[in-house]
Amino acid sequence: AQSVTQLGSHVSVSEGALVLLRCNYSSSVPPYLFWYVQYPNQGLQLLLKYTSAATLVKGINGFEAEFKKSETSFHLTKPSAHMSDAAEYFCAVKKSGSARQLTFGSGTQLTVLP
Amino acid sequence: SQTIHQWPATLVQPVGSPLSLECTVEGTSNPNLYWYRQAAGRGLQLLFYSVGIGQISSEVPQNLSASRPQDRQFILSSKKLLLSDSGFYLCAWSVPTGGSPLHFGNGTRLTVT
Repeated sequence: AQSVTQLGSHVSVSEGALVLLRCNYSSSVPPYLFWYVQYPNQGLQLLLKYTSAATLVKGINGFEAEFKKSETSFHLTKPSAHMSDAAEYFCAVKKSGSARQLTFGSGTQLTVLP
Repeated sequence: SQTIHQWPATLVQPVGSPLSLECTVEGTSNPNLYWYRQAAGRGLQLLFYSVGIGQISSEVPQNLSASRPQDRQFILSSKKLLLSDSGFYLCAWSVPTGGSPLHFGNGTRLTVT
C-alpha cells in the first residue's frame, strides 16, 4: 500500500522568500504524484502532477516539484512567496493501475508573512 | 471543458434529519466519481467512489450512503445525521486512466446541530 508523509503541518515564510514544502512517499511500484492547493472553504485545485515523463515538474502559480526516486521525495518549491500563496497544500500519491483514489498527505498550512 | 457542480455550498441540519448532497459533472463521459470529507483540522477522508452507474464502493462504514443514478451524477445521503457528520464534503471526478488526477468541486460545508 502506498502512503504519503508531509513534514511540517505548518510552514511560515516571508513574502519573497523561498517556499519549500516537503513530501515523502512510499510505494511498491513507481507511482503517480500530485500536489494540490486548497484555499479556505474551497475545493482542492491541482498544482502539478508527476507521471514519469520528467523528474522536474512545473505547475501553476510558479510552483514546481522534483521527483527523486532515491529519496522517495516529491518536494514542492517556489522561488519567491507571494501573499496569495497562503493556503493549505496537499501531496498525494496514486498507484499505477489503481482505479481507487489518491492517498493524500495530512496537509501543510503555508503562512506568508509580510 | 469539464466542470463539476456541487450543491449546496452551505448546509445546517439538526441531528436526526436526513441529508442529500448532489454532485454533477459536465463535459466528460464515464468518469470515476468520489466523495471525500474533511473534518475540522484534519485531512481528507475518502468516503465513497464509483467507477460506473450503480457501482459504489464504500471506504468507511458509517451512516452515510452514496448513489450514482446517472453517469455524471453522484449523490451522498443519510437517513439520520449525527453530530459527527459535520464537516466539509468534497465531490471529485477523474478520467478512468492510471495517471489522471482528481478534479474537485467547491465543497459543501455541513454543520449538524
